[in-house]
Amino acid sequence: NAGVTQTPKFRILKIGQSMTLQCAQDMNHNYMYWYRQDPGMGLKLIYYSVGAGITDKGEVPNGYNVSRSTTEDFPLRLELAAPSQTSVYFCASIKRDTDTQYFGPGTRLTVL
Amino acid sequence: GESVGLHLPTLSVQEGDNSIINCAYSNSASDYFIWYKQESGKGPQFIIDIRSNMDKRQGQRVTVLLNKTVKHLSLQIAATQPGDSAVYFCAENHFGNEKLTFGTGTRLTIIP
Repeated sequence: NAGVTQTPKFRILKIGQSMTLQCAQDMNHNYMYWYRQDPGMGLKLIYYSVGAGITDKGEVPNGYNVSRSTTEDFPLRLELAAPSQTSVYFCASIKRDTDTQYFGPGTRLTVL
Repeated sequence: GESVGLHLPTLSVQEGDNSIINCAYSNSASDYFIWYKQESGKGPQFIIDIRSNMDKRQGQRVTVLLNKTVKHLSLQIAATQPGDSAVYFCAENHFGNEKLTFGTGTRLTIIP
């Protein structure tokens, strides 16, 4: 198993540009999560999904959108990038009936 | 609102000594707790977890202690090594909740 994978590893965007952060897991996990981590801070939940076709907002959803068309993939969309979205983004997943979240390696995004 | 917090943002320990990282939580319904280790430039990595029906759990060189009376959690790392240098996060959850709540993190530095 590759675990949780994220692409790209790094990205620089200009204000107003859009992009999609990719997240995939090959562990057949039901629950998937997107977090952002600002420098020196903890993790803040952006969106999560409990299964294909089901998504819900987390703590800081504004400026982001998600979709979950398959169990494996959970992309995060930024429509109009803003400097406040400069952060490291982590995707995570959990297998049903367990609580341990497994994290991907992260995407470092800079908006200039 | 509910929160999970850490007592100390940074901790420096001599190599070979034991480390203790503390975490306070405020949600009395919390029944599951996790410690994560995050090395520079990487995603959080699961270390050890504990459920509220236990007060101690041991892993390889790590021990988690849970004091439900004072809502306090600690991570003990025995015989610290340079590779233990990282940021350590505690996280909590409770039955029926699909989301973890993370603390801010403690940066552990091992002094050679």
